[in-house]
Amino acid sequence: NAGVMQNPRHLVRRRGQEARLRCSPMKGHSHVYWYRQLPEEGLKFMVYLQKENIIDESGMPKERFSAEFPKEGPSILRIQQVVRGDSAAYFCASSPETRTTEAFFGQGTRLTVV
Amino acid sequence: AQSVTQLGSHVSVSEGALVLLRCNYSSSVPPYLFWYVQYPNQGLQLLLKYTSAATLVKGINGFEAEFKKSETSFHLTKPSAHMSDAAEYFCAVWPPMDSNYQLIWGAGTKLIIKP
Repeated sequence: NAGVMQNPRHLVRRRGQEARLRCSPMKGHSHVYWYRQLPEEGLKFMVYLQKENIIDESGMPKERFSAEFPKEGPSILRIQQVVRGDSAAYFCASSPETRTTEAFFGQGTRLTVV
Repeated sequence: AQSVTQLGSHVSVSEGALVLLRCNYSSSVPPYLFWYVQYPNQGLQLLLKYTSAATLVKGINGFEAEFKKSETSFHLTKPSAHMSDAAEYFCAVWPPMDSNYQLIWGAGTKLIIKP
């Protein structure tokens, strides 16, 4: 059973370009979470999704950021018109139905905006 | 609102010394509690978890944590630090009554091991 897969591992974008980060949850997991980790800071929750639904996006910036988790395929975190401040590590985690188990994390995507 | 406090953004111990990383949560009802470790340029991996069974929880790599309801704490310990323990450690909480179903995270503690 493969773990949570994120790709790409590293992504470089010029200011103004779009960044697309992908996350494939573990098999059988229907909950996906996206987190951002800025240098020297802890994890910040961005968004929580279930299949085809955004459950909680309270941590998402109001502009330029969006997320989806379609019925088929990976979850996508999309950042439009990237700025230097978007440079960070973005982690995806997935979990099954019950909260008594842990969330499983991907290796992260390190976004660098130049 | 739920919160998790990790005391000390950096903790430095000598190799072979006791490791103690502190975590306190705010909840009137015991939540589920987790410690995760993040090695440089890696994702997070679970060290151990408390889900209302035994209050002393043993995890991987010789770590353990004790849930103390009276102190609303879940401190992480290891009797003897090893150089390979140098990493960042995060405490996290599933609030038991949280309808949003999301982990609440501490800010993290970087563990530095001195030779």
